[in-house]
Amino acid sequence: RKEVEQDPGPFNVPEGATVAFNCTYSNSASQSFFWYRQDCRKEPKLLMSVYSSGNEDGRFTAQLNRASQYISLLIRDSKLSDSATYLCVVNGGYNNAGNMLTFGGGTRLMVKP
Amino acid sequence: EPEVTQTPSHQVTQMGQEVILRCVPISNHLYFYWYRQILGQKVEFLVSFYNNEISEKSEIFDDQFSVERPDGSNFTLKIRSTKLEDSAMYFCASSTPLHNEQFFGPGTRLTVL
Repeated sequence: RKEVEQDPGPFNVPEGATVAFNCTYSNSASQSFFWYRQDCRKEPKLLMSVYSSGNEDGRFTAQLNRASQYISLLIRDSKLSDSATYLCVVNGGYNNAGNMLTFGGGTRLMVKP
Repeated sequence: EPEVTQTPSHQVTQMGQEVILRCVPISNHLYFYWYRQILGQKVEFLVSFYNNEISEKSEIFDDQFSVERPDGSNFTLKIRSTKLEDSAMYFCASSTPLHNEQFFGPGTRLTVL
Protein backbone atom coordinates (compact mmCIF):
# COMPACT_ATOMS: atom_id res chain seq x y z
CA ARG A 1 0.00 0.00 0.00
CA LYS A 2 1.36 3.38 -0.99
CA GLU A 3 1.58 5.60 2.09
CA VAL A 4 2.95 8.85 3.34
CA GLU A 5 3.89 8.87 7.00
CA GLN A 6 4.23 11.90 9.26
CA ASP A 7 4.59 12.53 12.96
CA PRO A 8 1.16 13.91 13.94
CA GLY A 9 2.58 16.19 16.65
CA PRO A 10 1.49 18.60 17.97
CA PHE A 11 4.68 20.59 17.89
CA ASN A 12 4.31 23.44 20.39
CA VAL A 13 6.93 26.13 19.79
CA PRO A 14 7.41 29.75 20.86
CA GLU A 15 7.32 32.57 18.33
CA GLY A 16 10.66 32.97 16.60
CA ALA A 17 11.63 29.33 16.96
CA THR A 18 12.86 27.12 14.15
CA VAL A 19 10.90 23.92 13.66
CA ALA A 20 11.42 20.97 11.32
CA PHE A 21 8.96 18.39 10.04
CA ASN A 22 9.78 15.17 8.28
CA CYS A 23 7.89 12.61 6.31
CA THR A 24 8.61 9.35 4.55
CA TYR A 25 6.86 7.94 1.52
CA SER A 26 6.69 4.39 0.29
CA ASN A 27 6.05 4.81 -3.45
CA SER A 28 9.48 4.89 -5.14
CA ALA A 29 7.78 5.85 -8.43
CA SER A 30 6.55 9.19 -7.09
CA GLN A 31 7.78 12.13 -9.12
CA SER A 32 6.15 15.17 -7.52
CA PHE A 33 6.41 16.23 -3.90
CA PHE A 34 4.68 18.98 -2.02
CA TRP A 35 3.98 20.54 1.33
CA TYR A 36 0.46 21.79 1.85
CA ARG A 37 -0.89 23.68 4.81
CA GLN A 38 -4.36 23.04 6.20
CA ASP A 39 -6.15 25.22 8.73
CA CYS A 40 -8.92 23.71 10.82
CA ARG A 41 -11.89 22.66 8.62
CA LYS A 42 -10.41 24.42 5.57
CA GLU A 43 -9.00 23.23 2.29
CA PRO A 44 -5.35 22.22 1.83
CA LYS A 45 -3.36 25.18 0.51
CA LEU A 46 -0.18 24.60 -1.46
CA LEU A 47 2.80 25.83 0.53
CA MET A 48 5.56 24.73 -1.79
CA SER A 49 6.67 22.10 -4.23
CA VAL A 50 9.76 20.13 -3.22
CA TYR A 51 12.62 19.60 -5.64
CA SER A 52 15.57 17.23 -5.49
CA SER A 53 17.97 20.15 -5.20
CA GLY A 54 16.07 21.56 -2.24
CA ASN A 55 14.25 24.84 -2.37
CA GLU A 56 13.58 27.84 -0.20
CA ASP A 57 10.70 30.29 -0.06
CA GLY A 58 11.24 33.00 2.51
CA ARG A 59 11.25 31.36 5.95
CA PHE A 60 10.42 27.93 4.53
CA THR A 61 12.97 25.41 3.25
CA ALA A 62 12.08 22.02 1.79
CA GLN A 63 14.42 19.12 1.13
CA LEU A 64 13.92 15.84 -0.72
CA ASN A 65 16.03 12.70 -0.38
CA ARG A 66 14.89 10.29 -3.07
CA ALA A 67 17.26 7.52 -1.98
CA SER A 68 15.78 7.49 1.52
CA GLN A 69 12.29 8.50 0.32
CA TYR A 70 12.28 11.29 2.85
CA ILE A 71 10.98 14.85 2.67
CA SER A 72 11.54 17.65 5.15
CA LEU A 73 10.21 21.13 5.83
CA LEU A 74 12.04 23.71 7.93
CA ILE A 75 10.28 26.81 9.21
CA ARG A 76 12.49 29.58 10.56
CA ASP A 77 11.42 32.48 12.76
CA SER A 78 7.97 30.95 13.26
CA LYS A 79 4.98 33.29 13.50
CA LEU A 80 1.66 32.85 15.29
CA SER A 81 0.07 32.65 11.84
CA ASP A 82 2.14 29.55 11.03
CA SER A 83 -0.08 27.56 13.41
CA ALA A 84 -1.73 24.95 11.19
CA THR A 85 -1.46 21.34 10.08
CA TYR A 86 1.30 20.69 7.55
CA LEU A 87 0.57 17.98 5.01
CA CYS A 88 3.29 16.04 3.21
CA VAL A 89 1.98 15.08 -0.22
CA VAL A 90 3.36 12.97 -3.06
CA ASN A 91 1.92 12.05 -6.42
CA GLY A 92 0.81 8.47 -6.85
CA GLY A 93 3.22 7.56 -9.60
CA TYR A 94 0.52 6.31 -11.89
CA ASN A 95 0.29 6.99 -15.64
CA ASN A 96 1.04 10.49 -16.88
CA ALA A 97 -2.55 11.28 -17.76
CA GLY A 98 -3.47 11.23 -14.07
CA ASN A 99 -1.73 12.70 -11.09
CA MET A 100 -3.50 11.57 -7.98
CA LEU A 101 -2.03 12.93 -4.78
CA THR A 102 -1.40 10.81 -1.70
CA PHE A 103 -1.56 12.78 1.53
CA GLY A 104 0.12 12.19 4.85
CA GLY A 105 -1.94 12.55 7.97
CA GLY A 106 -0.36 15.91 8.72
CA THR A 107 1.79 17.38 11.46
CA ARG A 108 0.11 19.91 13.70
CA LEU A 109 2.09 23.02 14.60
CA MET A 110 1.08 25.41 17.36
CA VAL A 111 3.12 28.59 17.71
CA LYS A 112 2.70 30.29 21.08
CA PRO A 113 3.41 33.94 21.98
CA GLU B 1 -5.81 35.49 -8.00
CA PRO B 2 -7.90 32.79 -9.72
CA GLU B 3 -9.33 30.15 -7.42
CA VAL B 4 -11.42 27.01 -7.42
CA THR B 5 -14.97 27.54 -6.19
CA GLN B 6 -17.42 24.96 -4.86
CA THR B 7 -21.14 24.91 -4.11
CA PRO B 8 -22.86 24.34 -1.82
CA SER B 9 -20.62 24.91 1.17
CA HIS B 10 -22.75 22.54 3.26
CA GLN B 11 -25.20 19.87 2.09
CA VAL B 12 -27.42 17.87 4.43
CA THR B 13 -29.21 14.88 2.97
CA GLN B 14 -31.06 11.75 3.99
CA MET B 15 -29.49 8.35 3.51
CA GLY B 16 -30.36 6.93 0.10
CA GLN B 17 -30.80 10.33 -1.55
CA GLU B 18 -28.78 11.56 -4.52
CA VAL B 19 -26.52 14.56 -4.15
CA ILE B 20 -24.61 16.61 -6.70
CA LEU B 21 -21.60 18.62 -5.62
CA ARG B 22 -20.47 21.39 -7.93
CA CYS B 23 -17.09 22.89 -8.67
CA VAL B 24 -15.75 25.58 -10.97
CA PRO B 25 -12.04 24.88 -11.57
CA ILE B 26 -9.48 27.55 -12.41
CA SER B 27 -10.18 28.61 -15.98
CA ASN B 28 -6.96 27.59 -17.75
CA HIS B 29 -6.62 24.28 -15.89
CA LEU B 30 -7.28 21.04 -17.73
CA TYR B 31 -6.99 18.41 -14.99
CA PHE B 32 -9.75 18.15 -12.40
CA TYR B 33 -9.95 16.11 -9.24
CA TRP B 34 -12.20 15.18 -6.36
CA TYR B 35 -10.86 14.32 -2.92
CA ARG B 36 -12.63 13.73 0.34
CA GLN B 37 -11.67 14.09 3.99
CA ILE B 38 -13.62 12.35 6.70
CA LEU B 39 -13.45 14.33 9.94
CA GLY B 40 -10.15 13.71 11.70
CA GLN B 41 -8.72 11.61 8.86
CA LYS B 42 -6.39 12.05 5.89
CA VAL B 43 -7.36 13.67 2.61
CA GLU B 44 -8.16 10.82 0.21
CA PHE B 45 -8.14 10.81 -3.59
CA LEU B 46 -11.39 9.88 -5.33
CA VAL B 47 -11.04 10.57 -9.03
CA SER B 48 -9.19 12.57 -11.67
CA PHE B 49 -10.66 13.80 -14.93
CA TYR B 50 -8.94 14.95 -18.11
CA ASN B 51 -10.09 15.46 -21.67
CA ASN B 52 -13.68 14.62 -20.73
CA GLU B 53 -12.95 11.26 -19.23
CA ILE B 54 -11.85 9.70 -15.97
CA SER B 55 -8.09 9.18 -15.95
CA GLU B 56 -7.69 7.61 -12.48
CA LYS B 57 -10.00 6.55 -9.70
CA SER B 58 -9.54 5.07 -6.26
CA GLU B 59 -11.28 2.09 -4.70
CA ILE B 60 -13.54 4.54 -2.88
CA PHE B 61 -14.96 5.73 -6.21
CA ASP B 62 -17.41 2.88 -6.78
CA ASP B 63 -20.55 2.68 -8.91
CA GLN B 64 -22.37 5.06 -6.57
CA PHE B 65 -20.10 7.89 -7.71
CA SER B 66 -19.92 9.64 -11.05
CA VAL B 67 -18.32 12.80 -12.39
CA GLU B 68 -19.28 15.06 -15.24
CA ARG B 69 -18.20 18.24 -16.93
CA PRO B 70 -21.59 19.35 -18.23
CA ASP B 71 -20.36 22.61 -19.73
CA GLY B 72 -17.16 24.59 -20.16
CA SER B 73 -16.90 25.66 -16.57
CA ASN B 74 -18.56 23.26 -14.12
CA PHE B 75 -17.23 19.95 -12.84
CA THR B 76 -19.65 17.86 -10.77
CA LEU B 77 -19.52 14.88 -8.44
CA LYS B 78 -22.72 12.86 -8.07
CA ILE B 79 -23.39 10.34 -5.34
CA ARG B 80 -26.41 8.29 -6.38
CA SER B 81 -27.55 6.79 -3.11
CA THR B 82 -25.80 8.32 -0.14
CA LYS B 83 -24.69 6.28 2.84
CA LEU B 84 -23.91 7.45 6.37
CA GLU B 85 -20.22 6.82 5.71
CA ASP B 86 -20.26 9.29 2.80
CA SER B 87 -20.38 12.11 5.36
CA ALA B 88 -17.16 14.04 4.77
CA MET B 89 -15.67 17.19 3.36
CA TYR B 90 -15.41 16.92 -0.42
CA PHE B 91 -12.71 18.97 -2.10
CA CYS B 92 -12.42 19.77 -5.78
CA ALA B 93 -8.98 20.56 -7.20
CA SER B 94 -7.53 21.50 -10.55
CA SER B 95 -4.11 21.72 -12.17
CA THR B 96 -2.46 22.68 -15.44
CA PRO B 97 -0.94 20.16 -17.87
CA LEU B 98 2.56 21.49 -17.21
CA HIS B 99 2.99 20.46 -13.59
CA ASN B 100 1.05 18.77 -10.89
CA GLU B 101 0.52 21.61 -8.45
CA GLN B 102 -3.11 21.11 -7.54
CA PHE B 103 -5.20 23.95 -6.17
CA PHE B 104 -8.11 23.10 -3.94
CA GLY B 105 -11.54 24.64 -3.55
CA PRO B 106 -12.99 25.47 -0.13
CA GLY B 107 -14.89 22.20 0.01
CA THR B 108 -18.47 21.02 0.45
CA ARG B 109 -19.31 19.53 3.82
CA LEU B 110 -21.70 16.63 3.17
CA THR B 111 -23.75 15.36 6.10
CA VAL B 112 -25.78 12.20 5.55
CA LEU B 113 -28.48 11.57 8.17
